[in-house]
Amino acid sequence: KAGVTQTPRYLIKTRGQQVTLSCSPISGHRSVSWYQQTPGQGLQFLFEYFSETQRNKGNFPGRFSGRQFSNSRSEMNVSTLELGDSALYLCASSFWGRPSPNKSKPEAFFGQGTRLTVV
Amino acid sequence: GNSVTQMEGPVTLSEEAFLTINCTYTATGYPSLFWYVQYPGEGLQLLLKATKADDKGSNKGFEATYRKETTSFHLEKGSVQVSDSAVYFCAPRACWGGSEKLVFGKGTKLTVNP
Repeated sequence: KAGVTQTPRYLIKTRGQQVTLSCSPISGHRSVSWYQQTPGQGLQFLFEYFSETQRNKGNFPGRFSGRQFSNSRSEMNVSTLELGDSALYLCASSFWGRPSPNKSKPEAFFGQGTRLTVV
Repeated sequence: GNSVTQMEGPVTLSEEAFLTINCTYTATGYPSLFWYVQYPGEGLQLLLKATKADDKGSNKGFEATYRKETTSFHLEKGSVQVSDSAVYFCAPRACWGGSEKLVFGKGTKLTVNP
């Protein structure tokens, strides 16, 4: 079974440009989450998609957006790039996405990430 | 909201030493608890998990027990190897705000010297 695939692995962009990152989840997984990882802030949650709907969103400006397609593949977009957007962007997929306070929660499987450098 | 307090590193040990990385959390409902590991230049890999109180997760010699009364999930290994050098993240996953999400600790960098 193929793991989570993120493309591209590395990206260099100029301030003010926009960028689109792609994530293909494990087959059968319908929940996809995105995280930003930086040395200063650690791992921060961006958003989560389940069945093409954004279900949860972290505290990031509107320049960060995402979407999910009917095949569960997801993309995230960052517009008007800033130097501070330089980070490792990680995508995670999970098998089951229906929230349930009293049930065990599924593990998330991560891709290798996209390293974005803004110059 | 949910939060995680994880022992900050870096931690440097000699091979075959005992490892403990402390992790405590606050979460609503009944979280499932995970430890992830990140090797240099890679994404996160699931190391172990526990889904209910008193469960012990284990993998590759690492163990952690879900302690509901102390809201803790400390990671331990009896004898570390150089290949265990990595960054370790504690992460509860709980139902919050109508959905579930992982909340990560800041990570603990472990270096094991031969």
